[in-house]
Amino acid sequence: EAAVTQSPRNKVAVTGGKVTLSCNQTNNHNNMYWYRQDTGHGLRLIHYSYGAGSTEKGDIPDGYKASRPSQENFSLILELATPSQTSVYFCASGDGGTGRDTQYFGPGTRLLVL
Amino acid sequence: QQKVQQSPESLTVSEGAMASLNCTFSDGTSNNFRWYRQHSAKGLEVLVSIFSDGEKEEGRFTAHLNRANLHVSLHIREPQPSDSAVYLCAVSTSGYNKLTFGKGTVLLVSP
Repeated sequence: EAAVTQSPRNKVAVTGGKVTLSCNQTNNHNNMYWYRQDTGHGLRLIHYSYGAGSTEKGDIPDGYKASRPSQENFSLILELATPSQTSVYFCASGDGGTGRDTQYFGPGTRLLVL
Repeated sequence: QQKVQQSPESLTVSEGAMASLNCTFSDGTSNNFRWYRQHSAKGLEVLVSIFSDGEKEEGRFTAHLNRANLHVSLHIREPQPSDSAVYLCAVSTSGYNKLTFGKGTVLLVSP
């Protein structure tokens, strides 16, 4: 069964601080994704990756960086966290097939930026 | 840019009655449609994927796609209280894996 884990599950950060959200998948999927979910907006794509060493900008990349050091791991980095980045962040891995990618989601990370 | 809208925003049905959820999209070249379920404070669970016009059944969940009408629906047969959750429609276009999500329908199944 698909297994995507995220850490931490909850995080409180201060404005201007650096935050790193981690995602690990054991599915051996090439594709990985970071979304944020906010009331009134639904899920929005921040960054994604098609394999180790690659990262691509999604629909709302400003203020975020991503890193894919290996097939299994995909990190989202907030260099200078702001209160507007308070949200729930979801990571997903995808089983490939351009246009037919099924994405499997992790449990989410709740981030509060004070 | 793709727009995905879901209706109704919330729906209450009795246990055992059919639940029907709707999703409209704006890009007529879209060809990849998925329904996800999200229980409170949990991740998303994929329920059914559909890629061509017609119907696709996965257990008690059936998706209907009509691309000419820019519409995809989800029907839940014999819903149970454990089906109470937020249901999300996700759409992508040919050649791309980027999903655009609707805002969701909150389903409550009463015993």
